[in-house]
Amino acid sequence: AQKITQTQPGMFVQEKEAVTLDCTYDTSDPSYGLFWYKQPSSGEMIFLIYQGSYDQQNATEGRYSLNFQKARKSANLVISASQLGDSAMYFCAMREEETSGSRLTFGEGTQLTVNP
Amino acid sequence: NAGVTQTPKFQVLKTGQSMTLQCAQDMNHEYMSWYRQDPGMGLRLIHYSVGAGITDQGEVPNGYNVSRSTTEDFPLRLLSAAPSQTSVYFCASRGLAGRSGELFFGEGSRLTVL
Repeated sequence: AQKITQTQPGMFVQEKEAVTLDCTYDTSDPSYGLFWYKQPSSGEMIFLIYQGSYDQQNATEGRYSLNFQKARKSANLVISASQLGDSAMYFCAMREEETSGSRLTFGEGTQLTVNP
Repeated sequence: NAGVTQTPKFQVLKTGQSMTLQCAQDMNHEYMSWYRQDPGMGLRLIHYSVGAGITDQGEVPNGYNVSRSTTEDFPLRLLSAAPSQTSVYFCASRGLAGRSGELFFGEGSRLTVL
């Protein structure tokens, strides 16, 4: 079974609107972390946001927020007020603290295009 | 701020040739790893290390060797390159302390095997 599933290969959003990128995960590890990374066309991997499995509140970092629904095993990324520079590939990733230690497992990514 | 440095950025090999992708980090991170990125498959873990002298296999280790003689360096060796190893390779590191411990990535190395 896929540990990280991103069901949206491509998403489109109008500039200044909000967009949600979906991520579901599968783990039996009680302690885990969820990450989102951005990869622009230039190729570098940029860390955006982190959510720990025991965190009570959803993580936020500027225009990025993580909609963490533990029972549903989902960790969707919400980008508010989209900008043209947000056009990129977005990866969801998970670290299972007990099962895999420091290893990070990535989803297949969602290509976001922001239209002017 | 050097961070994670990978060399070379681009390389073309012929089938059967060997090469080493270099990775160095100056953040004193214990954990280092190599990923490959292929279209539609996200990033897949090749090998990783939690400290000098310690390495372990990831999801797709076949055809690759690693060693970790120092904290700073984690080279990835292709002993006999195959076209299936055409990919973009990323080195990444993190400290083992701290809450989130996000991975810091190098800029990537694009390898083509003919």
